[in-house]
Amino acid sequence: DQQVKQNSPSLSVQEGRISILNCDYTNSMFDYFLWYKKYPAEGPTFLISISSIKDKNEDGRFTVFLNKSAKHLSLHIVPSQPGDSAVYFCAASGYFTGGGNKLTFGTGTQLKVEL
Amino acid sequence: GAGVSQTPSNKVTEKGKYVELRCDPISGHTALYWYRQSLGQGPEFLIYFQGTGAADDSGLPNDRFFAVRPEGSVSTLKIQRTERGDSAVYLCASSLTSGEQDTQYFGPGTRLTVL
Repeated sequence: DQQVKQNSPSLSVQEGRISILNCDYTNSMFDYFLWYKKYPAEGPTFLISISSIKDKNEDGRFTVFLNKSAKHLSLHIVPSQPGDSAVYFCAASGYFTGGGNKLTFGTGTQLKVEL
Repeated sequence: GAGVSQTPSNKVTEKGKYVELRCDPISGHTALYWYRQSLGQGPEFLIYFQGTGAADDSGLPNDRFFAVRPEGSVSTLKIQRTERGDSAVYLCASSLTSGEQDTQYFGPGTRLTVL
């Protein structure tokens, strides 16, 4: 079963506009959420994270929002730039698994920022 | 400093053969993770090491897969009797500790193709 879901495989936005990427999860025991960005032929790169005790975390152009009751998080990128074009993965973790920090990833959303 | 490195970057093998994939983590990182990314999917957890010991190998698909980290640094993922379904990108990540909020830094991956 897919515990972390990204239902939009792709998203296209114009440069300068806001990009909103969405993610849903099913396991209420997850308590830490992350976004990774991936360029072709490279490994995923950490972007931003949020703990379940918060509902918002901001870092420059990137903001992550968490709605625990809806089991939903979103990543906002403002303003979007052509260099943001990449695959974005949502990931979640929780200590219910007995230790360590294994991440459960969604299937990714391909963001394309057009000039 | 150097990031996580993985060798080889590409590996083509025939069904039934044995392969070894190597991961060099960031120096000083005690936690090391292996993930597998199949086409169109997000990375899936395989195994996690804290130091030299495999703390969680619950993601290994079957007993053909084995991983070691004998000196607490470099790790090798070993796959016996490879099958076509093993074809994927194998990603390695390391973090300073296994704490939940310790960022995992990923290598570029090894693309394994089983013919």
